[in-house]
Amino acid sequence: DAKTTQPPSMDCAEGRAANLPCNHSTISGNEYVYWYRQIHSQGPQYIIHGLKNNETNEMASLIITEDRKSSTLILPHATLRDTAVYYCIVRIQGAQKLVFGQGTRLTINP
Amino acid sequence: GAVVSQHPSRVICKSGTSVKIECRSLDFQATTMFWYRQFPKQSLMLMATSNEGSKATYEQGVEKDKFLINHASLTLSTLTVTSAHPEDSSFYICSASSDLWPGQPQHFGDGTRLSIL
Repeated sequence: DAKTTQPPSMDCAEGRAANLPCNHSTISGNEYVYWYRQIHSQGPQYIIHGLKNNETNEMASLIITEDRKSSTLILPHATLRDTAVYYCIVRIQGAQKLVFGQGTRLTINP
Repeated sequence: GAVVSQHPSRVICKSGTSVKIECRSLDFQATTMFWYRQFPKQSLMLMATSNEGSKATYEQGVEKDKFLINHASLTLSTLTVTSAHPEDSSFYICSASSDLWPGQPQHFGDGTRLSIL
């Protein structure tokens, strides 16, 4: 079973920051937080992951709370192409399976 | 970044046909590959995990004799849906990972949409 909780849907205006929350209150000390997104009819795309420090890359920023029980994915300037289902997943590093929950369906509006 | 190629992207065939789907890791050695299935408006469901050179591990409820998985090399895994029926119509997605690079995130193919008539 997925060990994360995400809102089923969110809307965001184009050009604004999209902040997607994720609760993972049972996360273990060696589990990372991974974010993927799936655009319609495509395979999931890796976005970012982190353990306890905040992370940033060319796609997004990941903010993890100090107690690691929740995190927020930030898309700083959302575009229409960011419309997708966003999945927050926790797991240890390595070649381990990913368990997908229902994710958040993010819609970017013009 | 790492690229995983899946082929074919779409297949339509008659009931009773067997269909093979290929998953290739193009720029890294995939010690482990995963096969997922996704029905419309649902999330991805893991079907099986395959490690190079060994038998696949199937998730509960997935018939191993119907969904044959082969992972004969570090760059190729195949999923064969045997004697496919309309209820097997779905979006099948593979992903690849490497024990050699534990920090490398898992990467996914673009999926195969299977339609059984």
